[in-house]
Order: sequence, then structure tokens, then C-alpha cells
Amino acid sequence: EAGVTQFPSHSVIEKGQTVTLRCDPISGHDNLYWYRRVMGKEIKFLLHFVKESKQDESGMPNNRFLAERTGGTYSTLKVQPAELEDSGVYFCASSPWTGNNEQFFGPGTRLTVL
Amino acid sequence: QKEVEQNSGPLSVPEGAIASLNCTYSDRGSQSFFWYRQYSGKSPELIMFIYSNGDKEDGRFTAQLNKASQYVSLLIRDSQPSDSATYLCAVNPQGGYQKVTFGTGTKLQVIP
Repeated sequence: EAGVTQFPSHSVIEKGQTVTLRCDPISGHDNLYWYRRVMGKEIKFLLHFVKESKQDESGMPNNRFLAERTGGTYSTLKVQPAELEDSGVYFCASSPWTGNNEQFFGPGTRLTVL
Repeated sequence: QKEVEQNSGPLSVPEGAIASLNCTYSDRGSQSFFWYRQYSGKSPELIMFIYSNGDKEDGRFTAQLNKASQYVSLLIRDSQPSDSATYLCAVNPQGGYQKVTFGTGTKLQVIP
């Protein structure tokens, strides 16, 4: 069974540019989460999809961040316009409805905003 | 007070010893608890989860939960150099399929 995949693995952009990150969850996992780790800090929650619906977006830092999950499969996270403080590693995780919310993480996208 | 607290380490143990990693959490109503292992530059890998007070064993790993003390620990027996990684404690404060809250992680070094 394929794991969670993310694209790209690295992205370097200039302040003010737009970047779109993609996450493909494990097939059949209805729950999809985005997290971010800023250097030196803990991994922090951004938002949670259940299928195509946003269940919880309380962790989204501001309206420069837009997440979508059209069709309830893969998800995208767009940052527009990017700021320096957006740099970090963005992780996607997914979990099935069965079990107790064991979340499986993707490899992450390292975003650097110059 | 942070929601999930861990000693950042590094915790150094000799090969073959028991490594003990500790975590405290602030939300007394937290329902489920997870330990992730993260190698440098890699994604967090789920290695243990526990929901009930007491011990849960899986191979060389034992997770211990004490809800009264709001304390979770991970014991690694017969530590190997390949266990050297950062161990992240994560707590699901709301239960169900909600977000998890992570600690900053403890770096473990197993010395050959």
C-alpha cells in the first residue's frame, strides 16, 4: 500500500510569490491533515479535511493560506503571497475512519521563502 | 505552559541499554497519545499509540500512560544505534478524528 505522498519535496521562492503544495493521502483515508514545522519549533496543526469538507481550519495562520480537497482525494495548500515567516516544512497526514486516529505522515515539503 | 512538553535532549544511552523518553501534557481530558520517531530530514513515523492507563508493549517498545499525572513515556529496550532519532510525543486532546498536538521532541543518541 502506497503511503502519503507530497509534492514538491523542496520549494524555494521569493517573497510575494505564490506556491502550491500537493498531498496525496493513503487511498481510502477520509481524514487529511496539514501540519507545519517552523525551524526550532514543534509541528503545528494547520487544518483537517474530512473527505472534501474542511472540518477544522483553526490552525491556518492567515488568509494567505488556502487549502482545497476537491473530490475528497488529493489536497492542495496554496500560499499567496508568500512571506518570509512561511518558511518551514509542511507535512500532510492521513487517517482512516477505523482505528483511533493513527495519522500517517508524508515526507513533507520544505518551503524556503527568500 | 505548553500543551505537550518534552525534554529536547539529547538523551545519550549506550547500545543495549534502556532508553526512557518522557512527555507531559496539559489537557486533562486528552484521549489518545502517540509516539512518533523522526530521523533527520524525514517524516514522522508512528511507532506506538496508547489510550488506556498502564503499559502497552510492542517488541522492544513500551508505552506507559498515567492520566492522573498527565504523563506519557516511551521505553526502548536493548537500544540500537538505529534507534538514534528524534522522538515526538503527540496528544489528541479532543478525541475522535481531530488534530494532534505535538511536543518539540527528544533527540535520542544510542552510543555503540
